[in-house]
Amino acid sequence: EDQVTQSPEALRLQEGESSSLNCSYTVSGLRGLFWYRQDPGKGPEFLFTLYSAGEEKEKERLKATLTKKESFLHITAPKPEDSATYLCAVQARGAQKLVFGQGTRLTINP
Amino acid sequence: DVKVTQSSRYLVKRTGEKVFLECVQDMDHENMFWYRQDPGLGLRLIYFSYDVKMKEKGDIPEGYSVSREKKERFSLILESASTNQTSMYLCASSLSRNTIYFGEGSWLTVV
Repeated sequence: EDQVTQSPEALRLQEGESSSLNCSYTVSGLRGLFWYRQDPGKGPEFLFTLYSAGEEKEKERLKATLTKKESFLHITAPKPEDSATYLCAVQARGAQKLVFGQGTRLTINP
Repeated sequence: DVKVTQSSRYLVKRTGEKVFLECVQDMDHENMFWYRQDPGLGLRLIYFSYDVKMKEKGDIPEGYSVSREKKERFSLILESASTNQTSMYLCASSLSRNTIYFGEGSWLTVV
């Protein structure tokens, strides 16, 4: 069974304090690993898709990396507006659906 | 721009009522999905559809049904609402095996 585990559950940082969120996964043949951002009361907003180990993608202060067992979302010099829940999901080869982790709730204090 | 629209953002229904949640996408996507999201349980797939009139059960289909009569519209039906169906419901769509895009969510409270 495909599984995704995210850690930590919650993370509180000061503005400008860089850190990383972890997503560990087991999947029967990975087609893609997805990162989403979710603000309170809203639907998930797509950030990145990673397809193979060694791949990296960047968007503003966020950088996602992928290995064969896990993905990291690195946040560099975060700002309060980066506060959100970050969700990781995997899609197996041949599957349409995503399997999600529980999410990491990130709070950036000014 | 990608657009998935859920017509009702907040609903309050009584136990036993039949509830319809509507979702429309304007991107000509083949696949559409219904997830529910609960604290501590994350997003769980209820049903998905890969074509008009086609559907497949997800991980938690019990108590739900779906309808897809047109490509752009995917409805989630609660035949007889129960309090344990109080949740946030998320509709999503995608082209075949591509990125899945989500709507804003529908908050359903069953009293």
